[in-house]
Amino acid sequence: ETVMTQSPATLSVSPGERATLSCRASQSVSSNLAWYQQKPGQTPRLLIYGASTRATGIPARFSGSGSGTEFTLTISSLQSEDFAVYYCQQYNNWPPATFGQGTKVEIK
Amino acid sequence: QVQLVEFGGGVVQPGESLRLSCPASGFTFSNYGMHWVRQAPGKGLEWVAYIRYDATNKYYADSVRGRFTISRDGSKNTLYLQMNSLRVEDTAVYYCAKDFNTRYTSGYFDYWGQGTLVTVSS
Repeated sequence: ETVMTQSPATLSVSPGERATLSCRASQSVSSNLAWYQQKPGQTPRLLIYGASTRATGIPARFSGSGSGTEFTLTISSLQSEDFAVYYCQQYNNWPPATFGQGTKVEIK
Repeated sequence: QVQLVEFGGGVVQPGESLRLSCPASGFTFSNYGMHWVRQAPGKGLEWVAYIRYDATNKYYADSVRGRFTISRDGSKNTLYLQMNSLRVEDTAVYYCAKDFNTRYTSGYFDYWGQGTLVTVSS
């Protein structure tokens, strides 16, 4: 099973600042990586797939990069609605699809 | 628009069974693989099971294999999860989720239901 490790666990950022979230895979997942956003009490929302392709309706301030075992989600200028938990998920070596433990982006 | 609505959650004792259902609308159900994903209270996401668009393949997480069964009814556009021999550690919100790709699975999920809470407790 491919283990996904996200860092940091919590990221404190001021509105308007840039946020950089990391995700590492225990083995190569090529570019088969997705990112999801989950706000409190809400369902997860697909942000990025294929490591760098934004899903439909996702603002351009969200960008993904990386391949192999190292991935990054960048939010270029944090808006109030972006404070949430973010999960990465690999779908290269599946089943099982595996998620990282999440990074909480909180207001500084 | 795509809608997924889970039903069937509740409180059960260890060893008991529960069946979740997830009626789908807003897309051609018979063209998409479907998944169940769960989230224990205050925890992260865990993929549980997958069924191919034509139900010819099913996959399970090791943690539920042999106890859970995923199925689908194309005539009702509904996804199911039969959960037997439930354990305390199965306590979670269970989400049904649509696979991104038509027919052949992508392994990631573009639409999720709102989830149904399953609590296993003595």
